[in-house]
Amino acid sequence: GESVGLHLPTLSVQEGDNSIINCAYSNSASDYFIWYKQESGKGPQFIIDIRSNMDKRQGQRVTVLLNKTVKHLSLQIAATQPGDSAVYFCAESYTGRRALTFGSGTRLQVQP
Amino acid sequence: EAQVTQNPRYLITVTGKKLTVTCSQNMNHEYMSWYRQDPGLGLRQIYYSMNVEVTDKGDVPEGYKVSRKEKRNFPLILESPSPNQTSLYFCAIRSRFTDTQYFGPGTRLTVL
Repeated sequence: GESVGLHLPTLSVQEGDNSIINCAYSNSASDYFIWYKQESGKGPQFIIDIRSNMDKRQGQRVTVLLNKTVKHLSLQIAATQPGDSAVYFCAESYTGRRALTFGSGTRLQVQP
Repeated sequence: EAQVTQNPRYLITVTGKKLTVTCSQNMNHEYMSWYRQDPGLGLRQIYYSMNVEVTDKGDVPEGYKVSRKEKRNFPLILESPSPNQTSLYFCAIRSRFTDTQYFGPGTRLTVL
């Protein structure tokens, strides 16, 4: 498969545990945040997004938390499964910007 | 579900030999863009297009060209590829009504 990062931070969890992946951003003007999952050999897959007028948003087994005060974003995955093993990217944008600015990614390894 | 196709998926070429990577979508979305992904650098935007015949530079446009003659296609052109363009390339699409970008499967390009 494709290598998306040779020395990514790695989070190793046991199957069934909850996972928390963190992301820091620097641009105070950012008002849109998104998490992607990338499996080996595939393109980034949308997980969940959040706007800056919210501090929490929930999806199916996933929750995104946004702390604008400290410019921090986190992705929580409940009851982590082996299929959740992948590289996770946060990305940000702001009104008027036509691109997403991506973080460097975190590798999640789920131990059976 | 958003469908983005890229061709070829893998390409090995030599310096200076012009090449085109195609991107096609079936969602009739207005916005299309190209990103490159390099270890430790995340995904960076090369070019984007807001609609037919409307294109603009992203963060790393040097050495690339694009065209948007029809809504469904957004080819990436490397007129004279160089080894520093060896990378993993992704096409992304987005509706004008949302901020969520959906990515294609990627094209692994190696320039010798």
